[in-house]
Amino acid sequence: DAGVIQSPRHEVTEMGQEVTLRCKPISGHNSLFWYRQTMMRGLELLIYFNNNVPIDDSGMPEDRFSAKMPNASFSTLKIQPSEPRDSAVYFCASSAGTGSASLAKNIQYFGAGTRLSVL
Amino acid sequence: GQQLNQSPQSMFIQEGEDVSMNCTSSSIFNTWLWYKQDPGEGPVLLIALYKAGELTSNGRLTAQFGITRKDSFLNISASIPSDVGIYFCAGPANTGNQFYFGTGTSLTVIP
Repeated sequence: DAGVIQSPRHEVTEMGQEVTLRCKPISGHNSLFWYRQTMMRGLELLIYFNNNVPIDDSGMPEDRFSAKMPNASFSTLKIQPSEPRDSAVYFCASSAGTGSASLAKNIQYFGAGTRLSVL
Repeated sequence: GQQLNQSPQSMFIQEGEDVSMNCTSSSIFNTWLWYKQDPGEGPVLLIALYKAGELTSNGRLTAQFGITRKDSFLNISASIPSDVGIYFCAGPANTGNQFYFGTGTSLTVIP
């Protein structure tokens, strides 16, 4: 099993540029999660999807952030325009459950992350 | 938002020593999860706890779900160099759809 695949692993961009992070969940998993990790704030859940539908995006910091899941095997997290304070490691995770059970009962498998640096 | 506080923030121990860390919350959790993150990687689930008072082991790791449901403990016995990493507690909110990670405990094992 290939696990959760994220790309790119590293991204360096200039302030104001659009950034797109990509995630391929584990095949057969119904839930997908986007997290952000920083030294100051730790790991934060940004948004999660069940069966390709966004369930909770209350963690998305502001309108510059958007996430899509056009099909069961692909999701993107987009930042437009990017700012230096967006610099962080962004993780994608997937799990086999749906609904509230996906949070409590189902193991989330994490990708290796995308390290984003906005200059 | 919800805050899961972990202590200690960091630990430096000799190989072979036992390790104990804990996680506390201001509100009740119905599930406690413990993850480990290696450098440059995503977190990996170690142990899941679903009931107050539950004590669960996974090899040298033992975790307990506190009776008050506001805390959890993780113990590592006979530490080895590959135990190095950051350990996180985590869990879903009692209400709503949020999921929270603790502040993390960084473990360094000195051979």
